[in-house]
Amino acid sequence: DQQVKQNSPSLSVQEGRISILNCDYTNSMFDYFLWYKKYPAEGPTFLISISSIKDKNEDGRFTVFLNKSAKHLSLHIVPSQPGDSAVYFCASYAYEGGADGLTFGKGTHLIIQP
Amino acid sequence: DTGVSQNPRHKITKRGQNVTFRCDPISEHNRLYWYRQTLGQGPEFLTYFQNEAQLEKSRLLSDRFSAERPKGSFSTLEIQRTEQGDSAMYLCASSLAVPNYGYTFGSGTRLTVV
Repeated sequence: DQQVKQNSPSLSVQEGRISILNCDYTNSMFDYFLWYKKYPAEGPTFLISISSIKDKNEDGRFTVFLNKSAKHLSLHIVPSQPGDSAVYFCASYAYEGGADGLTFGKGTHLIIQP
Repeated sequence: DTGVSQNPRHKITKRGQNVTFRCDPISEHNRLYWYRQTLGQGPEFLTYFQNEAQLEKSRLLSDRFSAERPKGSFSTLEIQRTEQGDSAMYLCASSLAVPNYGYTFGSGTRLTVV
C-alpha cells in the first residue's frame, strides 16, 4: 500500500514556464513533507519542506503548497530552467508516532524543453 | 565538509556472496540512515542510527542484512548470501536530530547480483 503517491511518472514543460509537480498521501499522521531532486548517478538532494501547520512555503523559484484536507501537496517551479530537468521525489514524515524514516513517492521525471 | 561519502560506487557480486558497503556521514550529523532504491521506485527506508545506537529497522531489512555504526561515526551495511532481488542502489543519508529540513544523501552504492 503506497502511502505517498506521485501519479505522473513524467512531465514536460517549456523553459520559462511554470512546472507543477503533484503528490498525494494517505497517512494522516504525516506532518512534514519534503521535496527532493535527483540527477542520474547522484543521491537525492533536498529542495524544500513544509510543516503541516503551514499551507505554503517559498524558497526562491520553488514553492510548496499543502492542502491537508485533500492530503495533497504540490511543488511549483517558476520560471523553469534547463537545470531543473531531473527526477523529483515527494517524501513525508510523521514527527511523532510514526516510523523514523521518510516515506517517498515513486518520483516524477521533469523534462524542461528549450 | 565533503558531504556524505559512500564506497564503493558500484559492486557486482555473484549470488550467495557477502557484500559490505561503507558510509561516511557529515561529521557533525548524529543521525545516519540507510535506504534502498530499485528502478522506478522511490528510496525505501531500511534502518537508522542515532549516534551508535540502531533505533529502527524496517521490515524490508531481512536477517541477511546487518548494519553497524561503531563509535557513532561511519556505518557499514552488510548483506549476507546475496540474492538477485538485492540488486538495487543503496543510499546512505545523514542529518542532525530533527530531519524536517531534509537529509543529506550520498551518491549511493549500486549493487548488481549476478
